[in-house]
Amino acid sequence: GAGVSQSPSNKVTEKGKDVELRCDPISGHTALYWYRQRLGQGLEFLIYFQGNSAPDKSGLPSDRFSAERTGESVSTLTIQRTQQEDSAVYLCASSLVDRGAYEQYFGPGTRLTVT
Amino acid sequence: LAKTTQPISMDSYEGQEVNITCSHNNIATNDYITWYQQFPSQGPRFIIQGYKTKVTNEVASLFIPADRKSSTLSLPRVSLSDTAVYYCLVGDAGIKAAGNKLTFGGGTRVLVKP
Repeated sequence: GAGVSQSPSNKVTEKGKDVELRCDPISGHTALYWYRQRLGQGLEFLIYFQGNSAPDKSGLPSDRFSAERTGESVSTLTIQRTQQEDSAVYLCASSLVDRGAYEQYFGPGTRLTVT
Repeated sequence: LAKTTQPISMDSYEGQEVNITCSHNNIATNDYITWYQQFPSQGPRFIIQGYKTKVTNEVASLFIPADRKSSTLSLPRVSLSDTAVYYCLVGDAGIKAAGNKLTFGGGTRVLVKP
C-alpha cells in the first residue's frame, strides 16, 4: 500500500519568508509525528498528533513553528519568518498506536534550505 | 526518556555479521527497545523492536540481556546495501506515553566494504 508522502521534496526560501510543509500519513494510522534532521545529525522530535487528542508540541523549537492536522489525515507544518538555522530535512512519520508508539513509518522528508 | 549510547561508526565487509550494541542503563520497566535504519536521503525505516531476550525477523536479530541495560542489533551476512545509519531508541510503547520527546540521537554509521 501507499506509504507516508511529503511535499514538497525540496524547498528553497529566503530568510524571513513563511513556508508550509505537507505530510500525508498512511491511511488508518492515528498517530503522526514531525521531526527535524540537520545535516549529519540525528532526528529531533518536533510535534506529535494522536487522534483527536491535543497535540504534544513540546519539541517545537520556537513560536515560529506550528503544525495542524485535520482528523486522522493530512498534516501541515508551518515555519514563519524562516531563519538560516531552520535549514534541515523535515521528516514526517505515522504509526498505528496499537502496534506500539515506536513502530513508525517515515516519509522521504522535505529538504528546506533558507538562504 | 532513557538515554542511549551507541558507537559512532563501524566498518564491515560483505558477508560478515555486524553487531551494534546500544547502552541504556536507565531503561524503565515499561520501556521497549527499537531499532531503525536510515539510508542517505531517506527517512528512517523500522527494523525491529523487543522487550527482553531475543527477537528475530527477516532482517535482523535483537539480543537483550536479562538486566536490559543494553541491547545488540545483529545483521547477518551484510551486503553493500546495508550501509546506513542505525538508531537505537528506548521508550515506553504504551499509548499514553506516545509523543513524549523522542530522540534518535546520532546513531551508528555502518559502512560495508566489498
